Amino acid sequence: QQQVKQSPQSLIVQKGGIPIINCAYENTAFDYFPWYQQFPGKGPALLIAIRPDVSEKKEGRFTISFNKSAKQFSLHIMDSQPGDSATYFCAASGDTDKLIFGTGTRLQVFP
Amino acid sequence: GAGVSQSPSNKVTEKGKDVELRCDPISGHTALYWYRQSLGQGLEFLIYFQGNSAPDKSGLPSDRFSAERTGGSVSTLTIQRTQQEDSAVYLCASSLSRGGFQPQHFGDGTRLSIL
Repeated sequence: QQQVKQSPQSLIVQKGGIPIINCAYENTAFDYFPWYQQFPGKGPALLIAIRPDVSEKKEGRFTISFNKSAKQFSLHIMDSQPGDSATYFCAASGDTDKLIFGTGTRLQVFP
Repeated sequence: GAGVSQSPSNKVTEKGKDVELRCDPISGHTALYWYRQSLGQGLEFLIYFQGNSAPDKSGLPSDRFSAERTGGSVSTLTIQRTQQEDSAVYLCASSLSRGGFQPQHFGDGTRLSIL
């Protein structure tokens, strides 16, 4: 019940495409859902986060869509660029403070 | 710098040795977290500190793992009698206070290799 399932494992798109990464959770006590971006050799960096009282949040080219009834959320990257090539992790937390992470999606954006 | 600082960045040691990993959180952040990232895997929670106390140690994989935090600042993760399965990147994060809505800011980790 503590798991966060993430898909796909890897994703290849061309520049300008809109990669979509999906996550699903079971624990209804989760109430905070961040996305992290990680480059090789670096720690994860917070990209965008959402709470379940909204269905969508946009920050720049990054959008989270949240479906509370389905217990699913997704990250969309608009007008993707080669510099977006990285590993993306979804996560969730609730009444405890620890983050439960998905297994990551390796995104490659080709020029 | 103003970010979370971890040292060493890389550590290679022989099986059976003890290792200490250090985390220096962002100044003023009261909450501190340790996670472990194995090759190609997501991040696995180890332990959480609020100030100097550790209300959640549930992720520590065995009694060979321990952590402490002093002065509400620097934290040390100690692994005794290291095993090959301990090889991973150990990441530290800090946040302004407890609570899931507080963003956790990560350091670049310590890459631990057990020979």
